[in-house]
Formats: sequence, structure tokens, C-alpha cells
Amino acid sequence: DAKTTQPTSMDCAEGRAANLPCNHSTISGNEYVYWYRQIHSQGPQYIIHGLKNNETNEMASLIITEDRKSSTLILPHATLRDTAVYYCIVRVYNQGGKLIFGQGTELSVKP
Amino acid sequence: DGGITQSPKYLFRKEGQNVTLSCEQNLNHDAMYWYRQDPGQGLRLIYYSQIVNDFQKGDIAEGYSVSREKKESFPLTVTSAQKNPTAFYLCASSMGGGTTGELFFGEGSRLTVL
Repeated sequence: DAKTTQPTSMDCAEGRAANLPCNHSTISGNEYVYWYRQIHSQGPQYIIHGLKNNETNEMASLIITEDRKSSTLILPHATLRDTAVYYCIVRVYNQGGKLIFGQGTELSVKP
Repeated sequence: DGGITQSPKYLFRKEGQNVTLSCEQNLNHDAMYWYRQDPGQGLRLIYYSQIVNDFQKGDIAEGYSVSREKKESFPLTVTSAQKNPTAFYLCASSMGGGTTGELFFGEGSRLTVL
């Protein structure tokens, strides 16, 4: 069972920030939140991950609420190439540290 | 460059035939995983391996088999017992099998049963 809930789809204007929400209310204390994205018929691409603190890298920022029940992925200046399905994932400790994928959010960046 | 290579990219098979999908990584990662993706769905774990000569079933292992004879290789066999094998198959690897560190994915193999 997926441990995350995301909106099915979102639109964003090119050049604007894209804010993708995710709920993970049943996350355990040692489970990390990961974000991946997938462009059609390609392998998922890692974006960012975090445990408690907010994280930032060259691709995006991850904001995790203090109670860890939800998070937001921020793409600061979305481009057309950011159009993809974005997966918010909880990485569980059992089963080899597997990623539990949900349905993801289909982000469409429009000119 | 380091990475994960899956082959073939596209594969067609007749019903009743076994088929083996290749996954090779040169990242020196200990853990490797096989996922299956159906249209419009997220990925589901088939098998995983955290060390050479050891592997474990994931959530949907029925009809599949794997081996891990070498650290860099983790082939997946889709057997005739798999009732609905047409899908997109993705291999991944990570440094360890815990909760930290990213999983790197290959580009996938698309299997179609005719």
C-alpha cells in the first residue's frame, strides 16, 4: 500500500515556481521522504530526499512539516522540460529499503 | 560513466515462453531491485537483493525469478506462470538497503506478450 497521497495532476506556468504537495500521515520516525520524477517511458529520476529538515539541491527544495505528516516539493523556476509525473515516496526500512510508489502527480508546465 | 544498463529496451514474446531481462550496474552498489510498472500506475516491487547470492521476494514475485551471482548483475526471468506479463520493467540499485541513499534506475525494458 502506498503511504503517500498526492493530487493527480497540476499545471504550472513556465518560469513560475511549481509547488507539489504530498501527504504522508502514517510515516514512521526513521522513514525518509523521497521525490522522483518520471518522463514517459523512461526510468524514474531522483530529485531530492529528507527526514526532518528542509533540503535544497540544484534541482529543487523539499519542505517537510514539523509533524512530518506532509511535505512540499518546490521547483523554483519551472521549465517545459519539467513536465513529468512526480512521485512522493516513503522509503521503508524493511524489504531492502524499498521505495513504495503511489500514483504520483502529473505536472504540466505550460508556456 | 557509471550507471545501470537494462536490455533489451523492447521485447516481444509469445504466450508460454520464458524471457530474461538483463540488468547490469557499474556503481559498485550492494542492493539491487526489480520493479514493474503498468500503464498509469506507480512502480511495484518484484524482487530485491541486498548482497550477492541472496535475494528476497517483493510484493508481486509470483511468476518471476531472479539470480544474483555477481554484484553487478541482477537478471529477471519472467516465466510462463506470470499471468499478465505485459508491462514496463525497471531495475534499480542503491549503495545500501537501508532508508538513506538514493536508488538509481535504469531506462527500463518494455515487455509485450503477443
